[in-house]
Parts: sequence; C-alpha cells; structure tokens
Amino acid sequence: EPEVTQTPSHQVTQMGQEVILRCVPISNHLYFYWYRQILGQKVEFLVSFYNNEISEKSEIFDDQFSVERPDGSNFTLKIRSTKLEDSAMYFCASRGQGTGELFFGEGSRLTVL
Amino acid sequence: DAKTTQPNSMESNEEEPVHLPCNHSTISGTDYIHWYRQLPSQGPEYVIHGLTSNVNNRMASLAIAEDRKSSTLILHRATLRDAAVYYCIREYGNKLVFGAGTILRVKS
Repeated sequence: EPEVTQTPSHQVTQMGQEVILRCVPISNHLYFYWYRQILGQKVEFLVSFYNNEISEKSEIFDDQFSVERPDGSNFTLKIRSTKLEDSAMYFCASRGQGTGELFFGEGSRLTVL
Repeated sequence: DAKTTQPNSMESNEEEPVHLPCNHSTISGTDYIHWYRQLPSQGPEYVIHGLTSNVNNRMASLAIAEDRKSSTLILHRATLRDAAVYYCIREYGNKLVFGAGTILRVKS
C-alpha cells in the first residue's frame, strides 16, 4: 500500500538553528500539507500546497517557516531559526485529485533545546 | 476553529458497537464531514468521510443527520486496537482543521 514517508523520525537541535523536515508524498498526489502536534495537544494545520505554491496557511506559519517541493518528489518544511516552542511532532500529508482521504506520514519529532 | 463539538471521552466494551457523536451545527452545504483517528504515537489515520448520505466502508459507518448539523461514527465491533482519539472534522477550503477529538477507551 502506498504511504507517505518522513525523515528524520527524530531531530534534536539547538535554539536558533535551521531545521529541514523532509517528506515523500504518495507519487500521484497533488495536494500536500504540513501539520504539527505539540505533546498532549491537538493536531494543528500549518500549510497546504498545490500546483507548486502555498494555497493556504495558518497563523502559526509565520516568516520563520517555508515549504518547498524541490524535485517533484520531496516536500520539505524549513524552520529558519528554531524556538523552544517549535518542539513538536510534525506530520506531512498528501491527497490525490478529487479524493477525500488525506494520507499522513508517521511524523518527525523535533526537539529544540 | 474546528467548528465541531465532540465528547471528550467515551468508553466501550470489546466486541460491542460504538457510536461516536459529533455536532457541526454551522456546517455549510458543501462542507464534507471527515473522521480520522490517531493511535498512540502515530499519525492521524483516515476512517471515513461523507457529505449528505450515510456511508459505509470496511472500517466504519458514518450516519449524517438529515439537516447535516450532526453525525455519528459507528464502529460495529470495537476491538482493543480501536482505542484511539477520534476526530470529527469539517472540511472547508481544501484543508482539514482538527479539534480536540474523543478519546475512545475499549475495555476487554
């Protein structure tokens, strides 16, 4: 069964460092998403991406965040200068055209020290 | 704002049906209702979705009220592996906004 894969599974970084989280969506999917979940809290929408541009973003997704689909297969989330409060599980998801189901990856746990 | 209301938690016995309710009284005519679940330490997993009619798949059934202001996810025979947080989500635009969900506990 096709799946969304995310790397790394866990990253520890120092405050102020740049982090890139990588995702390989399902190959024929067209819509891509990043969500995050702070420990013990709900899953929060960050950004959606379609046709090589951001289609929607939340208030959380400020100038410190960016997304890219550099090579037609990977979908990345970059955090320019990490803060302690960026510590969370980050989930990538993808969706095919005209289908309702979002397929989520297993997540990347980011710990900012 | 998730715009859906669910009970914080529910408990079920193994092998019995479970009915998980959700209110979405401000839903518009074109918003789909989605249900996802999240098992411990995993990403959200799709369960089912629908617009107006009741829907069935191998995992569950979704009963949508005629006025669409509420819906119920039905797990026909709960197993221990169904213990998870269940999210009822309105889709608007092209995004899903999660609420707090219902923690389902299944007793053996």
